[in-house]
Amino acid sequence: QQQVKQSPQSLIVQKGGISIINCAYENTAFDYFPWYQQFPGKGPALLIAIRPDVSEKKEGRFTISFNKSAKQFSLHIMDSQPGDSATYFCAASNPGGGNKLTFGTGTQLKVEL
Amino acid sequence: DSGVTQTPKHLITATGQRVTLRCSPRSGDLSVYWYQQSLDQGLQFLIQYYNGEERAKGNILERFSAQQFPDLHSELNLSSLELGDSALYFCASGGTGAKEQFFGPGTRLTVL
Repeated sequence: QQQVKQSPQSLIVQKGGISIINCAYENTAFDYFPWYQQFPGKGPALLIAIRPDVSEKKEGRFTISFNKSAKQFSLHIMDSQPGDSATYFCAASNPGGGNKLTFGTGTQLKVEL
Repeated sequence: DSGVTQTPKHLITATGQRVTLRCSPRSGDLSVYWYQQSLDQGLQFLIQYYNGEERAKGNILERFSAQQFPDLHSELNLSSLELGDSALYFCASGGTGAKEQFFGPGTRLTVL
């Protein structure tokens, strides 16, 4: 019940295209859903996050869509750029767990010219 | 730069040895979280400290322990090391009442 399932495992998008990464969860106690971006040799960097009382959050080219009834959320990267090539992780936390993050398995995104 | 620092950046040691990883949280953050990242297990939560007290525990092995000191820096101690302990170890810090966690650059541990 603590799992967060992420897909796809890898994604290739053309420059200027839209990258979409999906996550699903089972634990309804989760109340915070962040996305992290990780470059090789670096730590995960917080990209954008959403709470379950909001269906969408947008920050620049990054948008989270959240479907509470389906227990799914997704990251959309608009106008994808080669510099966006990285591994993206979705995560979830619940207050009963000390706000520890449960991570998805990651998506390797490559944006081609 | 997240403001979280970790030392050392790389650590190479032998099986059976003991190592200590160090983390300094962002200024003002009281929470420190430790995570392990490996190819087969992904990013896994190990343990959390808040203002010197253990707050939550994940699937942390008994050979591993951690503590948070009065100046809020934290240390993760790994003993009786095995080949399978080779991984990236990250700490993250968070503020009181805040959900956001900010990760350090990590320590890459290689056990030979």
